[in-house]
Amino acid sequence: EPEVTQTPSHQVTQMGQEVILRCVPISNHLYFYWYRQILGQKVEFLVSFYNNEISEKSEIFDDQFSVERPDGSNFTLKIRSTKLEDSAMYFCASSHGGKVPEAFFGQGTRLTVV
Amino acid sequence: DAKTTQPPSMDCAEGRAANLPCNHSTISGNEYVYWYRQIHSQGPQYIIHGLKNNETNEMASLIITEDRKSSTLILPHATLRDTAVYYCIVRVGGDKIIFGKGTRLHILP
Repeated sequence: EPEVTQTPSHQVTQMGQEVILRCVPISNHLYFYWYRQILGQKVEFLVSFYNNEISEKSEIFDDQFSVERPDGSNFTLKIRSTKLEDSAMYFCASSHGGKVPEAFFGQGTRLTVV
Repeated sequence: DAKTTQPPSMDCAEGRAANLPCNHSTISGNEYVYWYRQIHSQGPQYIIHGLKNNETNEMASLIITEDRKSSTLILPHATLRDTAVYYCIVRVGGDKIIFGKGTRLHILP
């Protein structure tokens, strides 16, 4: 069964460093999303991406964040200068589109900023 | 904000049917009801969705009231592996998913 894959599963980085989280969405999907979940809290929407551009972003997704689909298969989330409060699980999701597209999530990347 | 209301937690005995309620009284005509679950800190897992009619798949059944203001997710024979947080979500297809706090389902041996 096709699945969304994320790498790495765990990333530790020093405050102020740049990190890139990688996702390979399901191959025929057209809509891509990033979410985060701080330990013990709700899953929060960050950004959605369609047709090679951001379609919607939350107030969390500030200038420190960017997304890219560099090669037609990968979908990346970059955090330019990490802060301690960026420590969280980051989930990538994708959906096919159409009238009722269920979204499928990856297993997440645990980001720890020290 | 999430447009749904769910009980914060529920218990169910192993082997019994787990019935998880959800209120969505402000649902719009073009919004579907989706259910996801999150086991421990894994990625949210899609379970089922519906518009007006009741739906069933290999994981669960979804019962939607005639006025569409509430629904119930039914896990017919709950196992310990069904212990998770269950999220009821209303959305138009393609839109972002807004997660609420969900219902933490405990399956008791």
